Amino acid sequence: SAVISQKPSRDICQRGTSLTIQCQVDSQVTMMFWYRQQPGQSLTLIATANQGSEATYESGFVIDKFPISRPNLTFSTLTVSNMSPEDSSIYLCSVSRRGSRTEAFFGQGTRLTVV
Amino acid sequence: AQSVSQHNHHVILSEAASLELGCNYSYGGTVNLFWYVQYPGQHLQLLLKYFSGDPLVKGIKGFEAEFIKSKFSFNLRKPSVQWSDTAEYFCAVTDYGGSQGNLIFGKGTKLSVKP
Repeated sequence: SAVISQKPSRDICQRGTSLTIQCQVDSQVTMMFWYRQQPGQSLTLIATANQGSEATYESGFVIDKFPISRPNLTFSTLTVSNMSPEDSSIYLCSVSRRGSRTEAFFGQGTRLTVV
Repeated sequence: AQSVSQHNHHVILSEAASLELGCNYSYGGTVNLFWYVQYPGQHLQLLLKYFSGDPLVKGIKGFEAEFIKSKFSFNLRKPSVQWSDTAEYFCAVTDYGGSQGNLIFGKGTKLSVKP
């Protein structure tokens, strides 16, 4: 298993500002992901955070809006840039180990409200 | 593209009632299947998983799920629910053999158990 610490747990931000969310894992993991859960919606994958290289973004998500860093195997950040009320969501960090029979572990999420 | 459908948005049961939550997925290949649970105020936790073999899998807390390949279904069951099962339940799928580990989630089913 893996224990994931995500900070902040919640925040209220002004329109036009940016917020950086941190994800720390207690052990080295191969795969790190960032998901978004909009109100009343399912979890949607934003991107895969790659260590030492640019993140791999899913359709509909771009680096300028959601820059991601992953400097090592246990830490990643997601920035939500130039926020608007539509960015109000829960953002979740997830980790797994590479392989065909892997399960994912999740952080407690960051509840973001943009006003 | 893969997708996951959960048929029930909100299910309300009395304690000791039996539970079945529906989950269907669309994908032509071999998949890994998961049920995750999110208790109020807590992070997502794995309830059970199917990779291969016996299509009836047992998870924690008395939950089980049956993979029916011909129906593309992976329904979650519990013979007798408890008040502590009140939570949101998410069905998820990922490619078998894929090394990414990223999950496609259903929209979730909120379960409320009345004492």
